[in-house]
Amino acid sequence: QLVQSGAEVKKSGESLRISCKGSGYIFTDYWIAWVRLMPGKGLEWMGVIYPGDSDTRYSPSLQGQVTISADRSTSTAYLQWRSLTASDSGLYYCARPRQQGSSFDAFDIWGQGTLVAVSS
Amino acid sequence: DIQMTQSPSSLSAYVGDRVSITCRASQTINIYVNWYQHRPGKAPNLLIYTGSILQSGVPSRFSGSGSGTDFTLTISSLQPEDFATYYCQQSYNSPHTFGQGTKLEIK
Repeated sequence: QLVQSGAEVKKSGESLRISCKGSGYIFTDYWIAWVRLMPGKGLEWMGVIYPGDSDTRYSPSLQGQVTISADRSTSTAYLQWRSLTASDSGLYYCARPRQQGSSFDAFDIWGQGTLVAVSS
Repeated sequence: DIQMTQSPSSLSAYVGDRVSITCRASQTINIYVNWYQHRPGKAPNLLIYTGSILQSGVPSRFSGSGSGTDFTLTISSLQPEDFATYYCQQSYNSPHTFGQGTKLEIK
């Protein structure tokens, strides 16, 4: 399963890191993706990381705005912002593909979501 | 990026109805489409992957079809728990874009 960190309330300009801890499987064998749901919008694929070698891919629209990382020793993936804006407010999910080693697969395991609220 | 366009954006139906949701890709994506159900307050739930393969544990009233650019999710007989938002997603090319969603409501 994937267990995410709790809801966050932040101000514009602040930094933030949210987490996603994997358990019940070999963490380094599966990609982890981050997907966001913005108010009034649909799901958006943000990027993925392969904890086995830290290979990371981002959506071009988000490149440079967020950082995805993983800590193999704690089986935890992270999504980080250096300077939040109000437009970063939303619900953030981590998700795992069905098959190990594949980044091109459907997500069958999801975290419970982390709500991020950023005030200006 | 590959754009995924779902239609309709919202849909009202009765329990027992047969409904279909379509998804069109901006370029050919073979059969690499996945479908998810999303209920408020819950994580998205995988229904169909690789175009037409039913995810384990998902009721057989859900089915997927299509290839190339046009794909369809069909629910053969709506149940009360099916009223939710549905998303298609392409996993052919990164970024693995989602459709904008179809909200299915009770009539």
